[in-house]
Amino acid sequence: SQQGEEDPQALSIQEGENATMNCSYKTSINNLQWYRQNSGRGLVHLILIRSNEREKHSGRLRVTLDTSKKSSSLLITASRAADTASYFCAFFGSGTYKYIFGTGTRLKVLA
Amino acid sequence: NAGVTQTPKFRVLKTGQSMTLLCAQDMNHEYMYWYRQDPGMGLRLIHYSVGEGTTAKGEVPDGYNVSRLKKQNFLLGLESAAPSQTSVYFCASSYSLAEGYNEQFFGPGTRLTVL
Repeated sequence: SQQGEEDPQALSIQEGENATMNCSYKTSINNLQWYRQNSGRGLVHLILIRSNEREKHSGRLRVTLDTSKKSSSLLITASRAADTASYFCAFFGSGTYKYIFGTGTRLKVLA
Repeated sequence: NAGVTQTPKFRVLKTGQSMTLLCAQDMNHEYMYWYRQDPGMGLRLIHYSVGEGTTAKGEVPDGYNVSRLKKQNFLLGLESAAPSQTSVYFCASSYSLAEGYNEQFFGPGTRLTVL
């Protein structure tokens, strides 16, 4: 299976703390994307990092990519209650027209 | 600009019944996808389309059929619903595939229960 694995499966932190979630994959990729899903809603694109990039920032988000270890991490700094959601990594399956999604990390930020 | 819309939002079926889920997008996207989301399993691709009149199988296509007669619409059909098809279904679209450089835009989902 090409499915990505994410850890932790669930994470609970206090408002203001940083949240880190990790994604591992098995195939070769050209880029990796992160999505957020609020409860009962569709996924929303957060950030994309290309395979030749090691780190990327967008607001309070910081994404790293290590293609040698086939892993990526998403860091949310100074978390807010509104960041409570599930976060998914997604990548383009090698040699296919398919996006592969990770299993997701459920983040809960306590006010 | 409504983005990606899905109808219906909720549906309860009995085993053996059929139904069609409708996805519509107003962004002139070429590519459209149907996923199912089950607890602890992330999203799994059912079928996808790379343009009007084309469809292709994804990871879990059995028990589903699709059609893309118009560029803006992507229909997902269940011919004979089974309890294993109880899930949340998401439609998504993207401008192009381009090796995955384009983000996908998701609809709000359809929650389907098969009794």
